[in-house]
Amino acid sequence: AIRMTQSPSSFSASTGDRVTITCRASQGISSYLAWYQQKPGKAPKLLIYAASTLQSGVPSRFSGSGSGTDFTLTISCLQSEDFATYYCQQYYSYPTITFGQGTRLEIK
Amino acid sequence: EVQLVESGGVVVQPGGSLRLSCAASGFTFDDYTMHWVRQAPGKGLEWVSLISWDGGSTYYADSVKGRFTISRDNSKNSLYLQMNSLRTEDTALYYCAKDGVSSGWFDYWGQGTLVTVSS
Repeated sequence: AIRMTQSPSSFSASTGDRVTITCRASQGISSYLAWYQQKPGKAPKLLIYAASTLQSGVPSRFSGSGSGTDFTLTISCLQSEDFATYYCQQYYSYPTITFGQGTRLEIK
Repeated sequence: EVQLVESGGVVVQPGGSLRLSCAASGFTFDDYTMHWVRQAPGKGLEWVSLISWDGGSTYYADSVKGRFTISRDNSKNSLYLQMNSLRTEDTALYYCAKDGVSSGWFDYWGQGTLVTVSS
């Protein structure tokens, strides 16, 4: 099974900061990667698919990049509503799908 | 507006059975693959199962294979998860999720239904 490892597991930042979350796959997955945001008590929300395609309605401050084994999610200018947990997910081995363990982004 | 509403989560004893349901609306249900994804309390997301648009293909995570069965009724716009031989490690919030374009990412999620396996 393909393992997805996110780093860091948690960190704190301030509004207005530019932040980057990394996701690494245990083997190459081309661009078959999605990113989700989850707030406490809520369902995950799709942000990005195909590594860099922004889902409709998602603010442009979110961006994704990478291919193969290394991927990043960048938030260009943190807003208060962006403090949440973020998950990467690979679908290269579809129908077997795996998620990263999550990155918790907290307010500094 | 796409809506996915799960139901059926309860407290059940180890070894017991349970059927979850997901009522879908706001899109052409029988055009899409559907999934179940779960999240144990305080933990990350785990994909559980998927079913193709016509129910002809089903897949399961190794952790539930042989114990869970996914099904759908396109005439009722509904998705189901039959859960047998439940274990304490199956305790989780179970989400119903719509596949984006039958490629493996999830563009809409329900609010989840909580299954607790405990004696």
